[in-house]
Amino acid sequence: QSALTQPASVSGSPGQSITISCTGTSSDVGGYNYVSWYQQYLGKAPKLIIYAVNIRPSGVSNRFSGSKSGNTASLTISGLRTEDEADYYCSSYLAPSTLIFGGGTKVTVL
Amino acid sequence: QLQLQESGPGLVKPSETLSLTCSVSGGSIISTNFYWGWIRQPPGKGLDWIGSIFYTGGAHYNPSLESRATLSVDTSKNHFSLKLRSVTAADTAVYYCVRYYYIDSGTYHRCFDHWGQGAHVTVSS
Repeated sequence: QSALTQPASVSGSPGQSITISCTGTSSDVGGYNYVSWYQQYLGKAPKLIIYAVNIRPSGVSNRFSGSKSGNTASLTISGLRTEDEADYYCSSYLAPSTLIFGGGTKVTVL
Repeated sequence: QLQLQESGPGLVKPSETLSLTCSVSGGSIISTNFYWGWIRQPPGKGLDWIGSIFYTGGAHYNPSLESRATLSVDTSKNHFSLKLRSVTAADTAVYYCVRYYYIDSGTYHRCFDHWGQGAHVTVSS
């Protein structure tokens, strides 16, 4: 199984919106609505910010939103803040019973 | 508040077996909604799912690690464990134990909603 494809880095200015893509295949991202996104600060454990493509867990800012089209899922961060500077990983279910991650995207706030 | 805590040796010799345990507090490992699993992250690299186990012992593994990894669960101690055999330097990583939110009220979620702080494991002689 191959990792999902994410851009290595994305940057934006405070207040702007950025979008991170996560491209898979019809066997994973395109085949199921089980895409999740994780935020990881340097030296810390990842934190779930989106699951089931577009659902935010309780306590996660509504500046984070998820979507999917075909084999590509996307995470959008609106109203970019300096605190959003972190690494972001997507993950998808892959039948019959496995999970795969993207390579990660480093978000820089200019 | 659910908490997961990894424990085990931080240094393992090549060809030996890496053993880690995850202690769960603030909730029971016995639940039909969740699996319990392990994810690792080599230095400077991305996340790699190792496997997940149900409280009854049924487990699923990353095909790339299935031949070397074994997950187990001890409901009496409310913890679960990972053994990874025949390790090499490529197994050096931070190992996270996680709760895999599988299903709730008939709706699948399939995401990792709780993470331990991570255990640094180095494979070196």
